[in-house]
Amino acid sequence: GAGVSQSPSNKVTEKGKDVELRCDPISGHTALYWYRQRLGQGLEFLIYFQGNSAPDKSGLPSDRFSAERTGESVSTLTIQRTQQEDSAVYLCASSLERGGSYEQYFGPGTRLTVT
Amino acid sequence: SQKIEQNSEALNIQEGKTATLTCNYTNYSPAYLQWYRQDPGRGPVFLLLIRENEKEKRKERLKVTFDTTLKQSLFHITASQPADSATYLCALTRGGATNKLIFGTGTLLAVQP
Repeated sequence: GAGVSQSPSNKVTEKGKDVELRCDPISGHTALYWYRQRLGQGLEFLIYFQGNSAPDKSGLPSDRFSAERTGESVSTLTIQRTQQEDSAVYLCASSLERGGSYEQYFGPGTRLTVT
Repeated sequence: SQKIEQNSEALNIQEGKTATLTCNYTNYSPAYLQWYRQDPGRGPVFLLLIRENEKEKRKERLKVTFDTTLKQSLFHITASQPADSATYLCALTRGGATNKLIFGTGTLLAVQP
């Protein structure tokens, strides 16, 4: 079956512009996560959606970052007024989280470059 | 603050040997621990999950141990192959209301033919 997909794969934007990143999770996966990975560093948690529960936004670095998810499907991560320090790979993951199945399945990521 | 440490230096081993990677954590009580593999330019791929009440888990050539007293997990790849060369990430989660993963920075493994 299809895995997690993300678009675009690469995005170059000018400082100050807004960007929107998209994630399509695996069908039937109730949980969806966004992470950020800066060059040569580990993954940083950003936000977590689980079904109809309120999202866990504790990892969002500033109010310029926001994310939405429609039901148990597509999610978008929006970064407003981008800064150079936002340059990173943004990774989306989904998880079934039923029956003890907690492993996360990652998409290929969106590489964001802010010039 | 919470901290997860993995070998920061690359691990170089000969094909056929056993690779052992270490993950140490502080100020954290994980419900479970996961290991992922990441190749350059790609997202992490899940390998193994071990729960706090489990000591050891195996899958084919992979073995994970979890010592909650030492706050350490060891990840072993037996009969290593050049195709095993990648960065290996350790990740912890508390479970409960959120299953967000806290990742270590990873260890780069290079298996020489």
